[in-house]
Amino acid sequence: KNEVEQSPQNLTAQEGEFITINCSYSVGISALHWLQQHPGGGIVSLFMLSSGKKKHGRLIATINIQEKHSSLHITASHPRDSAVYICAVRFVGSQGNLIFGKGTKLSVKP
Amino acid sequence: KAGVTQTPRYLIKTRGQQVTLSCSPISGHRSVSWYQQTPGQGLQFLFEYFSETQRNKGNFPGRFSGRQFSNSRSEMNVSTLELGDSALYLCASSNPQGNPRLNTEAFFGQGTRLTVV
Repeated sequence: KNEVEQSPQNLTAQEGEFITINCSYSVGISALHWLQQHPGGGIVSLFMLSSGKKKHGRLIATINIQEKHSSLHITASHPRDSAVYICAVRFVGSQGNLIFGKGTKLSVKP
Repeated sequence: KAGVTQTPRYLIKTRGQQVTLSCSPISGHRSVSWYQQTPGQGLQFLFEYFSETQRNKGNFPGRFSGRQFSNSRSEMNVSTLELGDSALYLCASSNPQGNPRLNTEAFFGQGTRLTVV
């Protein structure tokens, strides 16, 4: 079964802390996405990865294809980073649908 | 460049009615995917359209249908609404290069929040 698991489910941090959110998947993928969802529903695509590492501002995403694992890091966290972070993958052989993790709810306190 | 636009943003319907939701993708994008998000099930794939053809369909009953027009705008329809259809419906557009095999970033709309009473 093609599955995506995220951890932790909930995360509370103090402003300035370094944050890591993890995503593991069960079989080979062609791409992995990290998404951010704020209250109100809109989803923003943060990264799309198929290998290696990407950085955008304070956000860093890494993927280890052999270990079937990806991490999203937030450096110098800020209250505006409070959101739900969702990992989504496109499994090899699937034609276009994304399979989503349950999400990690991040709350950054000032 | 305008983002993905979904209309309406909010909708309240009665059980048994039908509903049509609309999604206008980013200009030049040819792929539109639809997703349902509920507190219990999270985000689930409904279907994907590419150049007016349904390429893939998720595990939803036949009451859920969709289509894509020549300008890439897409609609999804839910007939005979049930209380369990209450959800946030999101669409995402991608694939400006027009190659269905190419992985490209997905851009999501704000969603339509459907409440069935």
